[in-house]
Amino acid sequence: RKEVEQDPGPFNVPEGATVAFNCTYSNSASQSFFWYRQDCRKEPKLLMSVYSSGNEDGRFTAQLNRASQYISLLIRDSKLSDSATYLCVVNMGSNYQLIWGAGTKLIIKP
Amino acid sequence: DTEVTQTPKHLVMGMTNKKSLKCEQHMGHRAMYWYKQKAKKPPELMFVYSYEKLSINESVPSRFSPECPNSSLLNLHLHALQPEDSALYLCASSQDRRTNQPQHFGDGTRLSIL
Repeated sequence: RKEVEQDPGPFNVPEGATVAFNCTYSNSASQSFFWYRQDCRKEPKLLMSVYSSGNEDGRFTAQLNRASQYISLLIRDSKLSDSATYLCVVNMGSNYQLIWGAGTKLIIKP
Repeated sequence: DTEVTQTPKHLVMGMTNKKSLKCEQHMGHRAMYWYKQKAKKPPELMFVYSYEKLSINESVPSRFSPECPNSSLLNLHLHALQPEDSALYLCASSQDRRTNQPQHFGDGTRLSIL
């Protein structure tokens, strides 16, 4: 089992729809969680950190479920500019190393 | 605009050349990172510097040699690279190596080895 797993997609979603994807992690001792987005041929950009109580930033909501060992990202009222690959990143805590998921590709269609 | 600056943006080099990639940040971050990213894959960690000292080397071949001249600068010296080393090389920084600190990336150097 991979340490951090994501559905690679692509998720094809009409503009204005709500889309959600999950990321599972294997190490129950994981301490920190992040969502990054990466556009084609660009660098990853931090979208949001994921806090234990869940957090929201505009149209984006991140949740952490420690019991089932997954984090989720919800995007409401999706825009064409949301098309990107969304990477889940987990810090396993033992040596501060970030473990990256392979990413979920999202395509928003007009 | 990214607060981590990498130069050059693109680099084409032969297998016998020596070149260097440069990374600079002025956010006062004390941890800096080099990653390698191939197409359609997530970034792979290469090196971690913490307070200007190398703290992690992910078994990277010696043809890649990192250097941290000061807290704002990180270099990656390249020598005798192979075609499979062609990739996007990303520099990142974070406040420090604490687990809850996100990393911020430069826009990368796209490297092609002929």
